[in-house]
Amino acid sequence: TQLLEQSPQFLSIQEGENLTVYCNSSSVFSSLQWYRQEPGEGPVLLVTVVTGGEVKKLKRLTFQFGDARKDSSLHITAAQPGDTGLYLCAGSTETGANNLFFGTGTRLTVIP
Amino acid sequence: NAGVTQTPKFQVLKTGQSMTLQCAQDMNHNSMYWYRQDPGMGLRLIYYSASEGTTDKGEVPNGYNVSRLNKREFSLRLESAAPSQTSVYFCASSEFRGGGSHEQFFGPGTRLTVL
Repeated sequence: TQLLEQSPQFLSIQEGENLTVYCNSSSVFSSLQWYRQEPGEGPVLLVTVVTGGEVKKLKRLTFQFGDARKDSSLHITAAQPGDTGLYLCAGSTETGANNLFFGTGTRLTVIP
Repeated sequence: NAGVTQTPKFQVLKTGQSMTLQCAQDMNHNSMYWYRQDPGMGLRLIYYSASEGTTDKGEVPNGYNVSRLNKREFSLRLESAAPSQTSVYFCASSEFRGGGSHEQFFGPGTRLTVL
């Protein structure tokens, strides 16, 4: 059973377009993280959100945690080829818990 | 600072062979993890160690054993490899940050093929 479902699974867009990736669950999370993974490497943390309704911005990336802390979204404005990669959401069900549950991933390709 | 290092990078085994994947971190983190990554499945936790001297099962522990050798090192052993264990294996480490989350730092992965 996958706790976190991401959509879409694959996304191919032209440089300059905007996009949104979704991470959904029926479970409540104490915190949610977004990672980006490039081919041949391990995931790298982009952001952590901990409060329902929280919005965080990282340059052209905007992350939102749902009010009920069951879902999250990642919006990229004016995508660039350097944004290409696998985006993974990961949630923790207990504050301070070691276990992270990872989503299924969204593979983004930005075409120059 | 090397972060998290893993050896080997690539490995091919025959069914029934055994091997140990090595992981080390130099960030003085208490917690360490082993994940496997399969297409369309994201990352699934095999085992984790919250602190030196402790280990716990994750979501998919069957067929694996782990050893937390010291604070720096956490190894994953496959006693009798099976084709279903063909995957990319990632080691990670973390330290709890205030605000309710562990930021995990990942190694570069080991690509294992079992024939």
